[in-house]
Amino acid sequence: SQQGEEDPQALSIQEGENATMNCSYKTSINNLQWYRQNSGRGLVHLILIRSNEREKHSGRLRVTLDTSKKSSSLLITASRAADTASYFCATGLSGNTGKLIFGQGTTLQVKP
Amino acid sequence: GAVVSQHPSWVICKSGTSVKIECRSLDFQATTMFWYRQFPKQSLMLMATSNEGSKATYEQGVEKDKFLINHASLTLSTLTVTSAHPEDSSFYICSARPLTGGRTEAFFGQGTRLTVV
Repeated sequence: SQQGEEDPQALSIQEGENATMNCSYKTSINNLQWYRQNSGRGLVHLILIRSNEREKHSGRLRVTLDTSKKSSSLLITASRAADTASYFCATGLSGNTGKLIFGQGTTLQVKP
Repeated sequence: GAVVSQHPSWVICKSGTSVKIECRSLDFQATTMFWYRQFPKQSLMLMATSNEGSKATYEQGVEKDKFLINHASLTLSTLTVTSAHPEDSSFYICSARPLTGGRTEAFFGQGTRLTVV
């Protein structure tokens, strides 16, 4: 089952620009995670934000979480061509079982 | 960092045959592993939760007799696609969460691309 939606579904920007992706979910969560997937490959964990956190940074990544709106955003600053990939949010449900429900994903293309 | 290895990374099989995919946690133990399925240009759909020493828990709509899961040790879970058909062609990915260390995030294998011809 899908937890929610991501938007935009696709995003194309120039190198150096910032990219913002949004994720909405439906149920109570323990945490929300963002993953990256290069075409046809496995997933790479980017960042995890807990339900009691509102913002988190990691390098060029900034994640926000608004539990009242059941939404999160991922900001990639100063994008690079190598950031081209699909990005997925995934919610860890209450109870922290480790089970993740994924959003539909955003395909990001960064043009050099 | 925690490493999860999947094998094989790709497989082509004939309709009607069975295919086994292995998911191993290389440097940590995991009582629970998860199997996901991803169709082209789509998101990951959770298929089942693999529990060490007990039966797997399947998500709604996933046939347990079609997708056999065995979690025989704290470092290995296997998914067997039985009597595979072309519609089973997909990208299968496993994940595992470390048993200790207070880690919340799950670590993913590199995936297995199954093509049934």
